[in-house]
Amino acid sequence: ILNVEQSPQSLHVQEGDSTNFTCSSPSSNFYALHWYRWETAKSPEALFVMTLNGDEKKKGRISATLNTKEGYSYLYIKGSQPEDSATYLCAFQRGSSGSARQLTFGSGTQLTVLP
Amino acid sequence: DTAVSQTPKYLVTQMGNDKSIKCEQNLGHDTMYWYKQDSKKFLKIMFSYNNKELIINETVPNRFSPKSPDKAHLNLHINSLELGDSAVYFCASSQDRRGANTGELFFGEGSRLTVL
Repeated sequence: ILNVEQSPQSLHVQEGDSTNFTCSSPSSNFYALHWYRWETAKSPEALFVMTLNGDEKKKGRISATLNTKEGYSYLYIKGSQPEDSATYLCAFQRGSSGSARQLTFGSGTQLTVLP
Repeated sequence: DTAVSQTPKYLVTQMGNDKSIKCEQNLGHDTMYWYKQDSKKFLKIMFSYNNKELIINETVPNRFSPKSPDKAHLNLHINSLELGDSAVYFCASSQDRRGANTGELFFGEGSRLTVL
């Protein structure tokens, strides 16, 4: 996995809007996809880890889907709130053991929710 | 009670000096990592230790040497610091679950190193 792309790089939405962003890799050969939420001046926190094609995970107003065949994942936020403002990072995990467990991160989507 | 803690949070030093960043996790995890956030904000893996054994060692100058005295600690020592070493360094840990190795990473808050 050479290059993980996330789009858009940054996004401003109004409070209450729903939004989504993309994470993709040129290779569909991976074991798992991670999503992390990174607030300013804090450390990244895990949101989801997905492995199965078609997998959908949900945590409150945030959900994510995974397409392993084409190597992409979407993150959705329903009814955005100011506290959702953060950088959302995704990472591909190449394998399940040893050095293959390392994650390759994208540069993130920076979300700002305006009150 | 901080799960993954790094010290110091900020470090300003002169070129050529040797410095260390310490990391401790109290989660009982068996795998620890060092990541470097590069100038484009990507998090790049540097090292990973599993049960005190080095399992990932990416292309990092040998001036960088990790040391894991026990499962709960992974320190990063940097010799002969260069200007290009200025970055934010993140420690992380995870549990390498048998049969389901998708343990999420728990990150420290980062250590910002500035080399003058």
